[in-house]
Amino acid sequence: GQQLNQSPQSMFIQEGEDVSMNCTSSSIFNTWLWYKQDPGEGPVLLIALYKAGELTSNGRLTAQFGITRKDSFLNISASIPSDVGIYFCAGLNSGGSNYKLTFGKGTLLTVNP
Amino acid sequence: GAVVSQHPSRVICKSGTSVKIECRSLDFQATTMFWYRQFPKQSLMLMATSNEGSKATYEQGVEKDKFLINHASLTLSTLTVTSAHPEDSSFYICSARGSILTDTQYFGPGTRLTVL
Repeated sequence: GQQLNQSPQSMFIQEGEDVSMNCTSSSIFNTWLWYKQDPGEGPVLLIALYKAGELTSNGRLTAQFGITRKDSFLNISASIPSDVGIYFCAGLNSGGSNYKLTFGKGTLLTVNP
Repeated sequence: GAVVSQHPSRVICKSGTSVKIECRSLDFQATTMFWYRQFPKQSLMLMATSNEGSKATYEQGVEKDKFLINHASLTLSTLTVTSAHPEDSSFYICSARGSILTDTQYFGPGTRLTVL
């Protein structure tokens, strides 16, 4: 199926550093979602974005819905060891019977204490 | 809120047997549930979408006779992997969308299936 272009694929950072990852698509989405997945667990929703240009924060996380509706970024400030995991972006178009999440390939984040 | 559970969390079975995985929305009614499969170091791939009381819609390349989905109530969907083979070994994750919630999916914790 269709996938989003998510980058970077992986990141190795020191505790306390800021992190930025992004997703781009050739298609327009009505909603952008960011999930985190720990090993052996299901994805957990971090932030949902519903309007083009929207900037939303959740603690140390900030995400934006691109103006073109074809991209989104996620920033993590002052990283801590428990931020380790795989972060997925997901684009959603919903309307009538058409409701489907398209996932990026994920960004593996490693935080060195 | 928006808690989704899965059972079992992991299962090991012999080749040729069938395995049933349950997905429950614990604190909301899920009009739509989704089943994903995730291979190691890969993203989630949608297998099928099921609406309560109707037949599931399968993604291209997913065998409907092999992966039986039942969504009999607003809080329960089941995935049965029939005649499982080693290549079916994977991490199966369900998610649910509730009609009264915002337009997002909430995921279960996943089920690790190993077929010997």
